[in-house]
Amino acid sequence: QQQVKQSPQSLIVQKGGISIINCAYENTAFDYFPWYQQFPGKGPALLIAIRPDVSEKKEGRFTISFNKSAKQFSLHIMDSQPGDSATYFCAASMRQGGSYIPTFGRGTSLIVHP
Amino acid sequence: KAGVTQTPRYLIKTRGQQVTLSCSPISGHRSVSWYQQTPGQGLQFLFEYFSETQRNKGNFPGRFSGRQFSNSRSEMNVSTLELGDSALYLCASSLDPGLAEAFFGQGTRLTVV
Repeated sequence: QQQVKQSPQSLIVQKGGISIINCAYENTAFDYFPWYQQFPGKGPALLIAIRPDVSEKKEGRFTISFNKSAKQFSLHIMDSQPGDSATYFCAASMRQGGSYIPTFGRGTSLIVHP
Repeated sequence: KAGVTQTPRYLIKTRGQQVTLSCSPISGHRSVSWYQQTPGQGLQFLFEYFSETQRNKGNFPGRFSGRQFSNSRSEMNVSTLELGDSALYLCASSLDPGLAEAFFGQGTRLTVV
């Protein structure tokens, strides 16, 4: 059972455009929603994260929008740059046995054309 | 501050063998988690350790095991390797298991032939 559904699987955007990646979750016990960026040959790097008590969080060109009632959240990359070309993973985490354990989406391969 | 260090970076093993992967967390981080990343299944949680104790385990067979040492360094072991075990194995560390923010290493690419 896939608890976190991510779309689209791949995305091509022109330089300067807006990249939007969406995720939906099922379990309302999730209470931490991070996004990770992964370049080829590297491990995922934490990009930005949000808790369900806020509807939006912005850090530079990256914004998370969160809709608790719809159980959906999305990543917006403004002014997309070729250097943003990477795979992006959303995740939803909840406490299990006192520890936060994430469930990941399948990833979105983003290509930003110059 | 050094990041999460995983060794080795690449491994080629033969089916039926066993393998041990190592992870050194960020200095001061006490919680270590392991993940398997494959094109077909994505990122899947293997297990999590804190204070030398396994606190959580994902849905993987008993061939996958791990341990954590008193200095928070961790190892994972896969016995009786199968072709399907070929994957990128990632380690992540966090300051405390009660904190959700985790930082990943570059991973160990395991190929089983």
